[in-house]
Amino acid sequence: GEEVAQTPKHLVRGEGQKAKLYCAPIKGHSYVFWYQQVLKNEFKFLISFQNENVFDETGMPKERFSAKCLPNSPCSLEIQATKLEDSAVYFCASSQSSGRNNQPQHFGDGTRLSIL
Amino acid sequence: DQQVKQNSPSLSVQEGRISILNCDYTNSMFDYFLWYKKYPAEGPTFLISISSIKDKNEDGRFTVFLNKSAKHLSLHIVPSQPGDSAVYFCAASEYGQNFVFGPGTRLSVLP
Repeated sequence: GEEVAQTPKHLVRGEGQKAKLYCAPIKGHSYVFWYQQVLKNEFKFLISFQNENVFDETGMPKERFSAKCLPNSPCSLEIQATKLEDSAVYFCASSQSSGRNNQPQHFGDGTRLSIL
Repeated sequence: DQQVKQNSPSLSVQEGRISILNCDYTNSMFDYFLWYKKYPAEGPTFLISISSIKDKNEDGRFTVFLNKSAKHLSLHIVPSQPGDSAVYFCAASEYGQNFVFGPGTRLSVLP
């Protein structure tokens, strides 16, 4: 598609439950990025993919968070055993390329995750 | 420690005047910079970018200036319009990877 599509728009989970967020990048974009925005503050980089391969995961919490980008499927970000502090808006972005061939990232509208 | 700073949380400008949004960074390895605009309940929208080999890039009403020695960039919007009212984020990256975002500046353009 022409836009980055994130689903669902809003996800509510009880503390300790699993949360799974989805992202369909723009068609033809090879790179996918996940960011976490807590309380309208700055975007915290989590992980990026080049096609189905992890490109950079330096921002991913070592526990409970995982992500995948499988062929012919939306990318996903999964949080196991959610905590109150996981409440945030999770943004996905995609770009045609990375590295020296600089291209801007195009963002989806985000998934608001509320942990109760 | 924040690598990308936007020291003005908010800015108000009269319609038709120039809006100047500022951004400072600390990592001298950053070589690609972008500005995004964000409306409530939407994702950031890419506005304009600049590579470290340039000191100015212009696109319509939007101009970005880069001062590498001062590690400072600014976004100029002229003339400002009410539809420009949004939160503006500065982002920086090294080799086009791992974009680091500033905390944003809320711009209000008053009619």
